Amino acid sequence: QVQLVQSGAEVKKPGASVKVSCKASGYTFTNYAITWVRQAPGQGLEWMGWVSAYNGNTNYVQKFQGRVTMTTDTSTSTAYMELRSLGSDDTAVYYCARIASPVGATPSHFDYWGQGTLVTVSS
Amino acid sequence: QSALTQPASVSGSPGQSVTISCTGTSNDVGAYNYVSWYQQHPGKAPKLMIYDVSNRPSGVSNRFSGSKSANTASLTISGLQAEDEADYYCSSYSSYSYVVFGGGTKLTVL
Repeated sequence: QVQLVQSGAEVKKPGASVKVSCKASGYTFTNYAITWVRQAPGQGLEWMGWVSAYNGNTNYVQKFQGRVTMTTDTSTSTAYMELRSLGSDDTAVYYCARIASPVGATPSHFDYWGQGTLVTVSS
Repeated sequence: QSALTQPASVSGSPGQSVTISCTGTSNDVGAYNYVSWYQQHPGKAPKLMIYDVSNRPSGVSNRFSGSKSANTASLTISGLQAEDEADYYCSSYSSYSYVVFGGGTKLTVL
């Protein structure tokens, strides 16, 4: 069965960086892309971007460009999301999810999600 | 990109039907048949309920249905059950290969 298992909660100081991992199993990792979505406490879902596990291509929301890097390691079927220059408004649960569309197709929906990783930014 | 517009809350009694709307623009909902809906229970990850406007993934109850007209998509839940109480989010593919979410709707089963 398809599973995405994320790394554990993090506490960071303002200005620091965080790197969240998302280990995939139960499917051919390189056939799909991974997307990252975050949710601030009590707030809605915010799409951050995606990374292709096939060729490493990325597409980031303009808001995060220059501050986020999404990568994959095909040898371990793991995706990573690094966010730099953290501020208090980056406190959120960060989710990875599989983009259901095959590589090259329109990223229309997300069919499997990780359990979420809470990142707390506090001095 | 701007978030899609959803009502903050809806409610219904067990057995009734409720509809949640999701309004976008001609750059997202109106332009593509790539609207999806997610259910999220407190403290849990979102779960895909509807994709490509009206398709249900395997295992999702047929009480859930989706539709779209112009720039507005809708999720209808019929035969409401207590377990349906959750937050619901719509999303749409948008220009520049972006995905945009709605603000979320809290469904209360009375």
